[in-house]
Amino acid sequence: DVKVTQSSRYLVKRTGEKVFLECVQDMDHENMFWYRQDPGLGLRLIYFSYDVKMKEKGDIPEGYSVSREKKERFSLILESASTNQTSMYLCASSSVYRWETQYFGPGTRLLVL
Amino acid sequence: AQSVTQPDIHITVSEGASLELRCNYSYGATPYLFWYVQSPGQGLQLLLKYFSGDTLVQGIKGFEAEFKRSQSSFNLRKPSVHWSDAAEYFCAVATYNTDKLIFGTGTRLQVFP
Repeated sequence: DVKVTQSSRYLVKRTGEKVFLECVQDMDHENMFWYRQDPGLGLRLIYFSYDVKMKEKGDIPEGYSVSREKKERFSLILESASTNQTSMYLCASSSVYRWETQYFGPGTRLLVL
Repeated sequence: AQSVTQPDIHITVSEGASLELRCNYSYGATPYLFWYVQSPGQGLQLLLKYFSGDTLVQGIKGFEAEFKRSQSSFNLRKPSVHWSDAAEYFCAVATYNTDKLIFGTGTRLQVFP
């Protein structure tokens, strides 16, 4: 069974903290994605990666960075968390084509105080 | 600009009733179309997808969707809803020469016994 796991289901951080969200997939997929989900806005793409050490900005990259040192792991970094980054963060992966079926993790609900 | 519209934010149906969730897209090229479901507290799961061929697509959990090019629509249907279908449903669109999925804002389905 395919699996995408995220390091935390819930996180509470303070403004200004550096936050790491980690995602691991066990499907040997080339592509990995980080989305942010907010009510009424659907899913918005933050960053994606199509290979180890390769990344591209999505629609809302400001305030975020990413790291992909190994094929199975994709990290989202909030350099200095702000309250407007309180959200649900979803990781996904897909093989070959970026628009192909994406497999999602359970999400991390982040609260920034 | 490419876009996906889910005009219904919230739908309520009785268990056993039929269901139709609407999705309209704005794309110049032949689209690839997806429906995902997100159960409470979970990530997204693919229900079905359309790439080409028969415009009526069968998915998991008894769902189906019909691609209508003339109406730029890809509506999701189920003949008899179960209480476990209560969830949020997302339509998504891509084309071969894009590198990402575009998600709609979602429709929340509530099912009454």
